[in-house]
Amino acid sequence: TQLLEQSPQFLSIQEGENLTVYCNSSSVFSSLQWYRQEPGEGPVLLVTVVTGGEVKKLKRLTFQFGDARKDSSLHITAAQTGDTGLYLCAGSLGGATNKLIFGTGTLLAVQP
Amino acid sequence: KAGVTQTPRYLIKTRGQQVTLSCSPISGHRSVSWYQQTPGQGLQFLFEYFSETQRNKGNFPGRFSGRQFSNSRSEMNVSTLELGDSALYLCASMAGSANTEAFFGQGTRLTVV
Repeated sequence: TQLLEQSPQFLSIQEGENLTVYCNSSSVFSSLQWYRQEPGEGPVLLVTVVTGGEVKKLKRLTFQFGDARKDSSLHITAAQTGDTGLYLCAGSLGGATNKLIFGTGTLLAVQP
Repeated sequence: KAGVTQTPRYLIKTRGQQVTLSCSPISGHRSVSWYQQTPGQGLQFLFEYFSETQRNKGNFPGRFSGRQFSNSRSEMNVSTLELGDSALYLCASMAGSANTEAFFGQGTRLTVV
């Protein structure tokens, strides 16, 4: 059972465009993390959001955690070719565990 | 500060063989989790260790096993390999016992032929 659905699955845009990736679930998460993964490498942590409604910014990337802690979004402003990669959201259900539930992934290609 | 080290990076095995993958977490981290990544299923949780104890196991057959040593290094083993076990196996290192940020290694690419 896939608890976290990401949309879109694929995105190809031109450099300079804006984009938003969504991560949705029917489950409540105690925290949610966003990662970017490049081919043949492990995921690299971008941000962790913990509080419902929380907004975090990382240069041109803006992350938001839904008020009910069931969904999240990642907005990229003025995309660059270096933003190309697989974006993954991952949620923690809480409790005495570090287990993460990963989203289905969004493959972003930024064309020059 | 050294990151998460996984060895080997690449591995080719024949069906029916067994394989052992290794993960050295970030120094001071006591929690290690393993994930399998395939194009069709994405990242699937295999198991989690904290202070040498397995706390959680994902929905994988008993052919998949693991352990953690007193120095927090972890190994996972897959016996009687099947073609479907071909995947990128990722190890994550966490500082705390629960709900802490995960830092991943580069992974081990296993190909079963």
